[in-house]
Amino acid sequence: ETGVTQSPTHLIKTRGQQVTLRCSSQSGHNTVSWYQQALGQGPQFIFQYYREEENGRGNFPPRFSGLQFPNYSSELNVNALELDDSALYLCASSHLDRESLDEQFFGPGTRLTVL
Amino acid sequence: QKEVEQNSGPLSVPEGAIASLNCTYSDRGSQSFFWYRQYSGKSPELIMSIYSNGDKEDGRFTAQLNKASQYVSLLIRDSQPSDSATYLCAVNIPSGGSYIPTFGRGTSLIVHP
Repeated sequence: ETGVTQSPTHLIKTRGQQVTLRCSSQSGHNTVSWYQQALGQGPQFIFQYYREEENGRGNFPPRFSGLQFPNYSSELNVNALELDDSALYLCASSHLDRESLDEQFFGPGTRLTVL
Repeated sequence: QKEVEQNSGPLSVPEGAIASLNCTYSDRGSQSFFWYRQYSGKSPELIMSIYSNGDKEDGRFTAQLNKASQYVSLLIRDSQPSDSATYLCAVNIPSGGSYIPTFGRGTSLIVHP
């Protein structure tokens, strides 16, 4: 069983730029959630994709957008980067169709630094 | 009021002791509760999920849920230095027909030899 993978591992951007982060879900999973984790804080929910559609969104502005592909992999896009966007971005996959299997499994994360 | 609250710690326990980690949540409609462990510089790792009132045991870990008190806890028996990490409580908070996975800020656990 293949786990959740994310790319890239680290990324440095400058303010105002755009970034795309990628996530491959664990095999057998159909749902991907994205989180932002600042230092010393718990992960903050950005949004979730279920069967290629957005299935919930946290308190993040529209410049945070995403996609899910037919193979259930996903992208997180952030436009007009701000310094406060510097954080660890986590992707988690799960399978919502199965009872009690809304357990999420996290990828290793992408460390984004905005200068 | 924060939706999921945890004491940030650190909680320090000696090796072999029981570590008790606590979490409270604000939304009575919440149905799914999770504990994750996160080592420094790593991503969260699922320890256990719990959905019904009472205790759920898995090896050295026991999760306890009390929906009336809006309280979920994690007990770690026979604590080991390798258990030293940040423990995150997560609750699926209902929102508009879906839910928002909401994490506490985590409790830092230190197990000293």
